Amino acid sequence: SAVISQKPSRDICQRGTSLTIQCQVDSQVTMMFWYRQQPGQSLTLIATANQGSEATYESGFVIDKFPISRPNLTFSTLTVSNMSPEDSSIYLCSVASGSSYNEQFFGPGTRLTVL
Amino acid sequence: DQQVKQNSPSLSVQEGRISILNCDYTNSMFDYFLWYKKYPAEGPTFLISISSIKDKNEDGRFTVFLNKSAKHLSLHIVPSQPGDSAVYFCAASEGNNDMRFGAGTRLTVKP
Repeated sequence: SAVISQKPSRDICQRGTSLTIQCQVDSQVTMMFWYRQQPGQSLTLIATANQGSEATYESGFVIDKFPISRPNLTFSTLTVSNMSPEDSSIYLCSVASGSSYNEQFFGPGTRLTVL
Repeated sequence: DQQVKQNSPSLSVQEGRISILNCDYTNSMFDYFLWYKKYPAEGPTFLISISSIKDKNEDGRFTVFLNKSAKHLSLHIVPSQPGDSAVYFCAASEGNNDMRFGAGTRLTVKP
C-alpha cells in the first residue's frame, strides 16, 4: 500500500480565483489519478497523470480548467482554475498499485467550497 | 452515463446482524469489481475485490458475491460491527481501463 497526503485538507475560495491542490506519495508510483466527488455523487475521474507525459483528461474535463503537474514519481498537483460555486466538491488523488488501475489507494481528499 | 449504480443511499443494521450492500452495473465488459470503504474526512480505502471469473470472494467478515448474468454484485458483512459504519463504494473496471464508481451507500451499524 501507499501513504498519500493532500494539501490543503479544505479551503473556502472566492469565485473567479484558482486553487492548487498538492498530492504527495511516500513511494514512487507511475500512475496517479485525480477524482472529484460532488455532494451525493460518485467519485468521478478527472484525469490520469503519469510522470513524463501529459495528463489524460476524461470527457467533460479540460486542461485549461484543471491543469495538472506531475514533476516526479511521488508528487502531483491539480489546479482548479477560475472557480465557480459548481466546483465545490471533494477532490481526491489516488495511485495505482503495480501496473494495473484495478486497485487504487486514495489520499484523504481536499474539501473545496467556492462562494 | 452512470455505469455503476448503488440504489440504496443508506442502510441501517443492528450490531451482530448481516449487512448486505448492493450494486448494479450496465457494462457487460467490466471484469473486475471492488468495494471501498470511506470514513468521514478520509479517502476511500480498498476493502475487497472480485474478478469476473469468480462468483464469490471472502475475506474474514466480508464476502462479495458476483452475479454476472444479472450484472449485480453485493457485499455481505457478518457479523456487522459499529466500526463498520461508513460509506461503501462499489467500483468496476474493464481490463486496465478506468474504474467507475457508484454513488455510495452509507451504512450505519447500531449497537
